Amino acid sequence: KNQVEQSPQSLIILEGKNCTLQCNYTVSPFSNLRWYKQDTGRGPVSLTIMTFSENTKSNGRYTATLDADTKQSSLHITASQLSDSASYICVVGGATNKLIFGTGTLLAVQP
Amino acid sequence: ETGVTQTPRHLVMGMTNKKSLKCEQHLGHNAMYWYKQSAKKPLELMFVYSLEERVENNSVPSRFSPECPNSSHLFLHLHTLQPEDSALYLCASSQGPDRGAYEQYFGPGTRLTVT
Repeated sequence: KNQVEQSPQSLIILEGKNCTLQCNYTVSPFSNLRWYKQDTGRGPVSLTIMTFSENTKSNGRYTATLDADTKQSSLHITASQLSDSASYICVVGGATNKLIFGTGTLLAVQP
Repeated sequence: ETGVTQTPRHLVMGMTNKKSLKCEQHLGHNAMYWYKQSAKKPLELMFVYSLEERVENNSVPSRFSPECPNSSHLFLHLHTLQPEDSALYLCASSQGPDRGAYEQYFGPGTRLTVT
């Protein structure tokens, strides 16, 4: 069964600290993996998208990694800011017209 | 802003009301989508339109009725909803309907509450 699981479900960190969010997937065939940031009451906004051949991709303080062998991805946030407080959703593109969403990790950055 | 707008942003309606959600994309995309997002659940795909033709309908109850008059506009007509339909309704667009391949751009959503 195609699934995307994220951990932790929620996370609280202090401003300025780093954190890493995890995504494990069982989607096959695999096309690409995306990380989205969703602020409360807003739509998801794309952070990164990686294909099978890419191991890492950065977008400012956000760095995503992909291990296609173990079917794992992580999103690392460096020097967190209050504005990083949001839900982070891992999404895997599979076969034609297949897009499998995770339930997200809710991150709260406190001053 | 992602180039996808939605109105209204918030909607409260009774179970006997009829209302419509509107979505507009300014990206020149050919595919548009409606998603439902409930608390602690993954996004659920409801409808897919490609070049104004409905290409997918994921077992959505008939009380939800989509309409796509052109490639830039998408509506979701609502009638006789149930309280469990309360959720965030997201519109998205992409270059083509193969959402496994093309990046999706989401609107800000409409927060719907059914009383």
